[in-house]
Amino acid sequence: NAGVTQTPKFQVLKTGQSMTLQCAQDMNHNSMYWYRQDPGMGLRLIYYSASEGTTDKGEVPNGYNVSRLNKREFSLRLESAAPSQTSVYFCASTSFEVEAFFGQGTRLTVV
Amino acid sequence: AQSVTQLGSHVSVSEGALVLLRCNYSSSVPPYLFWYVQYPNQGLQLLLKYTSAATLVKGINGFEAEFKKSETSFHLTKPSAHMSDAAEYFCAVASGGYQKVTFGTGTKLQVIP
Repeated sequence: NAGVTQTPKFQVLKTGQSMTLQCAQDMNHNSMYWYRQDPGMGLRLIYYSASEGTTDKGEVPNGYNVSRLNKREFSLRLESAAPSQTSVYFCASTSFEVEAFFGQGTRLTVV
Repeated sequence: AQSVTQLGSHVSVSEGALVLLRCNYSSSVPPYLFWYVQYPNQGLQLLLKYTSAATLVKGINGFEAEFKKSETSFHLTKPSAHMSDAAEYFCAVASGGYQKVTFGTGTKLQVIP
């Protein structure tokens, strides 16, 4: 019963470094999402993918890119990390009835 | 466009008291509505969902929510708070199957012994 798996769980980057956050789901869901969570701001959508082969910007896409590698995997890339990208990142996938299943999160610190 | 407003970023209740967390939504079509709970250092998990069936929805851990179209509300309640209910709660809305989910800013529930 893996559900949604995110890696890594923790990461510290220096300003300007790049990294990719990985996400995979084993529930055969079409839609996948990347959110960031900051204190007092709830969950803000970075990018989402309604189906394999499509991606769309959310509320806060600047500084990020995504790849929907296949139906299972949806990765988030930071090309040049900035301190403002310090956050907790969550990947999610949704069923037809739009019930979202979340990963455990990646706690990213950019120094 | 769809949106969710959660009234009150922090709510405190005494153990055994009624829990009421407020959520109002905006959607151009009949919505799907959700409440999620997040415990510290964990991801979100579904408490309950409304998908156009019964307007009173029962979820896990004794929580329930009522969909009121006239008030565009989906408030979360629990008759008697338990210490283990202390967490952050998120209301969310979607405009139908396979549609994007939009979350509110969350309400932190504190339960006082």
